[in-house]
Amino acid sequence: EDQVTQSPEALRLQEGESSSLNCSYTVSGLRGLFWYRQDPGKGPEFLFTLYSAGEEKEKERLKATLTKKESFLHITAPKPEDSATYLCAVQFGSGYALNFGKGTSLLVTP
Amino acid sequence: GAGVSQSPSNKVTEKGKDVELRCDPISGHTALYWYRQSLGQGLEFLIYFQGNSAPDKSGLPSDRFSAERTGGSVSTLTIQRTQQEDSAVYLCASSLVPRPNTGELFFGEGSRLTVL
Repeated sequence: EDQVTQSPEALRLQEGESSSLNCSYTVSGLRGLFWYRQDPGKGPEFLFTLYSAGEEKEKERLKATLTKKESFLHITAPKPEDSATYLCAVQFGSGYALNFGKGTSLLVTP
Repeated sequence: GAGVSQSPSNKVTEKGKDVELRCDPISGHTALYWYRQSLGQGLEFLIYFQGNSAPDKSGLPSDRFSAERTGGSVSTLTIQRTQQEDSAVYLCASSLVPRPNTGELFFGEGSRLTVL
């Protein structure tokens, strides 16, 4: 059973069309939930860390929120340069690893 | 500044051959991770180093896979007797602090392995 599930798998938006990406998790003892961005042929790039339900983080057009079961990455008025795969990961219990979901591939067209 | 460097960037090998993948982390970073990313799959954790020791090897898929880190710096991932299912992008990441609860890992661009 996947511990981290991201939806949708792919999303196509017009420039300026706001939307949200979802990351749901089933682990217990969450120590942190993380969002990364990955461009084709590149390694993931860190965006945000969220630690507890109710927490929010913002960066430019991106805003991440966290509840006890899921996280949302809200994209406001996206631009074509926001096109990328967005990855969610969790760290839980005594583990060292960040456990990643399969990602949401976002395409923003002009 | 220098980021995480991985080599080779691309490796094509024949089934049954051994391969070595190298990772040079950011200078001073004590934590080092190896991940594998296959087409259509998420990042799969392989191994975590803290300094030269590996307190978590739980993600290594078989005994054909091994990794070492020397001098608290360079790490090598070795795959023996490669199989076609080993084809993937192997990503290395490092972090300044041990067991980075901030989740801020710095990734290299990966080594793409193709096993024919």
